[in-house]
Amino acid sequence: IAGITQAPTSQILAAGRRMTLRCTQDMRHNAMYWYRQDLGLGLRLIHYSNTAGTTGKGEVPDGYSVSRANTDDFPLTLASAVPSQTSVYFCASAPGHQEFGYTFGSGTRLTVV
Amino acid sequence: GQSLEQPSEVTAVEGAIVQINCTYQTSGFYGLSWYQQHDGGAPTFLSYNALDGLEETGRFSSFLSRSDSYGYLLLQELQMKDSASYFCAVRDRGNQGGKLIFGQGTELSVKP
Repeated sequence: IAGITQAPTSQILAAGRRMTLRCTQDMRHNAMYWYRQDLGLGLRLIHYSNTAGTTGKGEVPDGYSVSRANTDDFPLTLASAVPSQTSVYFCASAPGHQEFGYTFGSGTRLTVV
Repeated sequence: GQSLEQPSEVTAVEGAIVQINCTYQTSGFYGLSWYQQHDGGAPTFLSYNALDGLEETGRFSSFLSRSDSYGYLLLQELQMKDSASYFCAVRDRGNQGGKLIFGQGTELSVKP
């Protein structure tokens, strides 16, 4: 089934640890995105990639990094996790970077303690 | 920059019609889209408006007035399964170069 796969589904992480959230899509979409969702704050853009080999910063990029080595994968790394990074993280993709209709993954629920 | 305002909660009864409003401020507007999210799951795309007017997709319609920086999502013949959070999102020419920026969401509760 075509779509986006995120892993892990959930994770409890000790503060200060490094963590990579994985995102893989099989739709050959050029554009990919990472959002975090916190209660009452909606979805906030962390980083994005318009095409393989390029990335850009969103609204809340501090403490996160991304890479886009190929079309399918867009991992999000927390170099040294802090409790304020406790959130639900959604990966999304679109055929191009000027689309309105994103396809979202099922999310990763991350708790930093 | 950009900002969006939508009500935090709306309640309606099964079979009724409900309208969820969204006002926005952007530095260069491309369009307004709507997403549905059930119980914290994956948001799903419903519709978008790049031009003024009404777009209809089955029981759902979306409206845009660019001069008023305002749009709404209209849900007709409400069903219990429509209970969900609904997000408006704008694409603009701001800091994120045309990426979707989301509102805080409206939680719709459909009662029997």
